[in-house]
Parts: sequence; C-alpha cells; structure tokens
Amino acid sequence: DAKTTQPPSMDCAEGRAANLPCNHSTISGNEYVYWYRQIHSQGPQYIIHGLKNNETNEMASLIITEDRKSSTLILPHATLRDTAVYYCIVRVGDGRETSGSRLTFGEGTQLTVNP
Amino acid sequence: SAVISQKPSRDICQRGTSLTIQCQVDSQVTMMFWYRQQPGQSLTLIATANQGSEATYESGFVIDKFPISRPNLTFSTLTVSNMSPEDSSIYLCSVEGDGSKWGYTFGSGTRLTVV
Repeated sequence: DAKTTQPPSMDCAEGRAANLPCNHSTISGNEYVYWYRQIHSQGPQYIIHGLKNNETNEMASLIITEDRKSSTLILPHATLRDTAVYYCIVRVGDGRETSGSRLTFGEGTQLTVNP
Repeated sequence: SAVISQKPSRDICQRGTSLTIQCQVDSQVTMMFWYRQQPGQSLTLIATANQGSEATYESGFVIDKFPISRPNLTFSTLTVSNMSPEDSSIYLCSVEGDGSKWGYTFGSGTRLTVV
C-alpha cells in the first residue's frame, strides 16, 4: 500500500470549513483513498473513500487531484465534535470492502475545532 | 452495519500475567483484525483472524505473545501473554464492511495498563 503524508496538526474555527490535506505521490492505479477519524477514546470511524472522482457524503467531501498524488478531505461546517485525529489511508481495493484487505494507519492529522 | 462489543473496556494488570480480550460481532464476518495503539501513537495491525484457520501475524508480533482464537464467524479473542509495562496500550478489534455500509467497523477498544 502507498505511503501517505499528512500534517501532524491543524486548527479550525467552529462553523468554518476544515480542509485536511494528504499526499500520496506513490499511489497506484488500483489504490483507493480512504479517510477515517478517531475521536478521543473511541475506535476509528470511516468517513469517505474514492478512486479518482470527487466524492461527497453526509459527513464530508473528498477532492482528489487529477494526477491522484494528493487529496483533501473537506468538513464543510466543522463543529467541536469534529475534533479528532484524521487518517488518510491508501490501499488496493475494488471499491468494496474486500475480505483480507487490511488498513495501514499512518500518524494522521490532529484536527482541533475551536469555538 | 456490524456492531462490535469488545470486553473488557479497560483493565489494570500485574506484569507477568495474561489478559484475554473478547470481540463479539452482531453479524457473521469472514475476517477480523486486531490492532494495538500505544499511547500517543497510531494504530498498528497485530494480526488477521480468519475463522477455522490460524491467525496471520504482522511483523513484530508472534503467536506465543498474542494468541488469537476465532471459533466462529461472530467471535474472536486476543490474549496478551506474560505482560510487561510495554504492553500498556489500547487494543482494538475490527471487521470488514458487510456491503450495506462502507468502511471497516472498529470496537471501542480495551485500554490495558500493566503495572
């Protein structure tokens, strides 16, 4: 699985958009970009994933550059409850959760949403 | 989506003893994953548990230290054996997506302190 690089920490004002970057310059054509977050004292939670098209769901938007070497997770209106460590993970997939395909976590970005 | 019950949620153990952590899933899953999260660090995969076969361990983890059972498709245990203070961590189990919801589901973790 490709290695990812994320800033160790970011701050965001409550109600503003939080834009979390991730570099994955060695990504392969069959590797998807996944985002998870871990709120303190809880297990990680899936947010969103994508291959090459931008994706949006009820939690966030994922913007993947045309060359797929980087991506940005966007929380459109950050709240205090969005304070968490955000993990960008790149791994081989077919768009579904495939048996035996594990997740490799990097260090992530600690997002702190301030009132 | 799957719901995971992990027990115990926390424990304080004496060095040299063993602790067995249980992971119960409310639906049948093929693969279960065990992670360790040391204080202030990211998650590290310990092993992958497939029902009816030996668990597959990641580099740096051995069966004698972390024996795993997977007696059926809804249950697994991880034992931390002959504990030392360096084993103080959060241990989490995870299961793959079930097709109805994207993303892996994680238990809330077992916070282990070895004294």
